[in-house]
Amino acid sequence: QQQVKQSPQSLIVQKGGISIINCAYENTAFDYFPWYQQFPGKGPALLIAIRPDVSEKKEGRFTISFNKSAKQFSLHIMDSQPGDSATYFCAAIRSTGNQFYFGTGTSLTVIP
Amino acid sequence: NAGVMQNPRHLVRRRGQEARLRCSPMKGHSHVYWYRQLPEEGLKFMVYLQKENIIDESGMPKERFSAEFPKEGPSILRIQQVVRGDSAAYFCASSLTGGPQPQHFGDGTRLSIL
Repeated sequence: QQQVKQSPQSLIVQKGGISIINCAYENTAFDYFPWYQQFPGKGPALLIAIRPDVSEKKEGRFTISFNKSAKQFSLHIMDSQPGDSATYFCAAIRSTGNQFYFGTGTSLTVIP
Repeated sequence: NAGVMQNPRHLVRRRGQEARLRCSPMKGHSHVYWYRQLPEEGLKFMVYLQKENIIDESGMPKERFSAEFPKEGPSILRIQQVVRGDSAAYFCASSLTGGPQPQHFGDGTRLSIL
């Protein structure tokens, strides 16, 4: 059973546009929600993360929006650039847990 | 390089052989995690270790797979008698502490079974 559901599977955005990737979860014990960026042949790199006590976190062009009541969180990439083209994974972990549960990934392509 | 180091980057084995994957965590990190990634899928947790101890192996197949993190040296993920279905990318991550904290990933080992 997929603990974290991610959509869309793929996304094509024009340069300068906003990329939005969504994730939903069921387990209310999840306590930490990171987003990872992965380029081909590389490992996932931590991009930004949020805890459920805040509704939004922004770092540069990247923003996480978190809706605790809906059990959803999303990644917004503002002013998307071709260099942002990568696969993005959301994840979640319980406060007493050891393992991250990953979404199935979103392949983002930013066209010039 | 202060990041998580994995080797080899690529490993080819024939069915029935053994595969050994190595992971050196980030400097100062004593918590190591192994994940498996199949094409078009997210990462699936396999095992969590601290120095000399397996803390959580709930994601590890019961047979043929084992992991260790000795007092000295890298963490090792060992797959005995490999089968075609073991072909995947195996990633190691490390963290400063356990629980809901950032995990930093290596670039993985791509295992191919002939």
